[in-house]
Amino acid sequence: KNEVEQSPQNLTAQEGEFITINCSYSVGISALHWLQQHPGGGIVSLFMLSSGKKKHGRLIATINIQEKHSSLHITASHPRDSAVYICAVLGTSGSRLTFGEGTQLTVNP
Amino acid sequence: DADVTQTPRNRITKTGKRIMLECSQTKGHDRMYWYRQDPGLGLRLIYYSFDVKDINKGEISDGYSVSRQAQAKFSLSLESAIPNQTALYFCATSDTGGGLGYTFGSGTRLTVV
Repeated sequence: KNEVEQSPQNLTAQEGEFITINCSYSVGISALHWLQQHPGGGIVSLFMLSSGKKKHGRLIATINIQEKHSSLHITASHPRDSAVYICAVLGTSGSRLTFGEGTQLTVNP
Repeated sequence: DADVTQTPRNRITKTGKRIMLECSQTKGHDRMYWYRQDPGLGLRLIYYSFDVKDINKGEISDGYSVSRQAQAKFSLSLESAIPNQTALYFCATSDTGGGLGYTFGSGTRLTVV
């Protein structure tokens, strides 16, 4: 079993829909990252959080430390949101990230 | 200029050849990392360095070596490339402890034929 599991693996939505991507982890962490990878391959950091909730534009990330679970929400989705979204956890030693396999999101117009 | 620059962006090489992937950063971060990405497996850590004199193996270091030439430069070498090293390679940086997040390069797509 992977230390970081994401669901779903693939998600197709219509423009305007509310989207949720989930991440569960099985190890102690000091922080959790949400990353976005566009078809060109580059990876961009969206959020880093260790508790509660963060919001940036139409993106919201939440984390529940007790349940070892995080969600990434996209409100009013748009085709330009189509990308792979990756959850990664930073261990308690703070030395390295462990990555989920990613969620491929496709938003159709 | 990008904060983290990887060269080359794409490379096709033959089995048995030595190849070097280079990474340079302008973030001023102490910590640098090399990852590879394979379909369905997510990113896996090859090597990491917390400062110029510090080099550590990651999950999948066999067949790879690294050099931290300066705080801003971290290169990855494949001494004798093999086809299963075909992958997308990413360099990343972070501040001490990663508290301010990670910055990734644009990736190097390597094909070994």
